[in-house]
Amino acid sequence: NAGVMQNPRHLVRRRGQEARLRCSPMKGHSHVYWYRQLPEEGLKFMVYLQKENIIDESGMPKERFSAEFPKEGPSILRIQQVVRGDSAAYFCASSPPNYNEQFFGPGTRLTVL
Amino acid sequence: GESVGLHLPTLSVQEGDNSIINCAYSNSASDYFIWYKQESGKGPQFIIDIRSNMDKRQGQRVTVLLNKTVKHLSLQIAATQPGDSAVYFCAENSGGFKTIFGAGTRLFVKA
Repeated sequence: NAGVMQNPRHLVRRRGQEARLRCSPMKGHSHVYWYRQLPEEGLKFMVYLQKENIIDESGMPKERFSAEFPKEGPSILRIQQVVRGDSAAYFCASSPPNYNEQFFGPGTRLTVL
Repeated sequence: GESVGLHLPTLSVQEGDNSIINCAYSNSASDYFIWYKQESGKGPQFIIDIRSNMDKRQGQRVTVLLNKTVKHLSLQIAATQPGDSAVYFCAENSGGFKTIFGAGTRLFVKA
């Protein structure tokens, strides 16, 4: 059983471009979570999704950021018009229903030039 | 507001010694706590968890202690090995899905 997959592992964008980060949860997991991590800091919750539903997006910036988890395919975290402050590692985690433990992917490191 | 924090940002131990990493939390309603290990360039890895109805839980070489009276959590690693070098995060799982992470403690293991 493959773990949580994220791609790309590294992403470089210029200011104003769009960044798309993908996350494929573990097989059988229908819950996906996105976190952001700045250097030397802990992970900050962004959004929690189930298939085709956003359950909690309280940690997501109101502008430029969006997330989806379609019926088919990976979860996508989309950042429009990126700014240098968006540079961070973005981690995805997944879990099966009614299960607290979250399994993390390797992360996508976004660098905005 | 809710917060989970750590007392020590870095910890250096000799190989073979025991390590103790501490964590304080502020939400007395929290009922589930997790310790994660994060190696450089990787995602957090689950180590051990504990629910609020327990005060101690043991795994392989690791023990988590929970003191609800003072809202304190600790991770003990027995016979620390070089492979234990990493950043360790305590986390609080509130509402069943939202995990709140502390700032992390970097553990250095000296050979």
